[in-house]
Amino acid sequence: QVQLVQSGAEVKKPGASVKVSCKASGYTFIRYYMHWVRQAPGQGLEWMGIINPSGGSTDSAQKFQGRVTMTRDTSTSTIYMELNSLRFDDTAVYYCARGLEARPYGMGVWGQGTTVTVSS
Amino acid sequence: DIQMTQSPSSLSASVGDRVTITCQASRDITNYLSWYQHKPGKAPKLLIYDAFNLETGVPSRFSGSRSGTDFTLTISNLQPEDVATYYCQQCDNFPLTFGGGTKVGIK
Repeated sequence: QVQLVQSGAEVKKPGASVKVSCKASGYTFIRYYMHWVRQAPGQGLEWMGIINPSGGSTDSAQKFQGRVTMTRDTSTSTIYMELNSLRFDDTAVYYCARGLEARPYGMGVWGQGTTVTVSS
Repeated sequence: DIQMTQSPSSLSASVGDRVTITCQASRDITNYLSWYQHKPGKAPKLLIYDAFNLETGVPSRFSGSRSGTDFTLTISNLQPEDVATYYCQQCDNFPLTFGGGTKVGIK
């Protein structure tokens, strides 16, 4: 079955970087766009960006531009999201999600989430 | 950016009730709207895409509608397992944006 499995929880200091992975299985990896979405404690869902696993092109929300890097490895069907210059308010659960086949900006399958805690 | 204004922020209803959640887009997004259900400690789950279309496996008590830039998620027969926070999301333009969420509880 279609599955997205994310890397484990991280604790980082302010100013550090974090890299979260999301391994896809059960479908043709390059056929579906992939998203990153986060949820800070007590807050709603926030879209961070999108990657096209086929060519590797990306787009991200303006607030993350310059701080986020999204990449993919087609040999392992894995995408990565690296966020640098971490701040306390980057503490959140980070999700990867697969776009819909006909509507890539919708999100039909989600990873289990990765908790990133920024603490001194 | 397209703003998604979702209301109410929370509601409480009885089992079997009909529940309505609305989402207003700040400009025309045609039908490019999705609805998600999010339970604590779990990943969000897609319920509705393209404003009306029920995702495979989602109970038929969930439905979506549209009137101009106003979108509605209806739960026709609220069940205990529907306790969750519900989000709308516009799928029309970058940056993709979510509504603020509606927390649904049982009386």
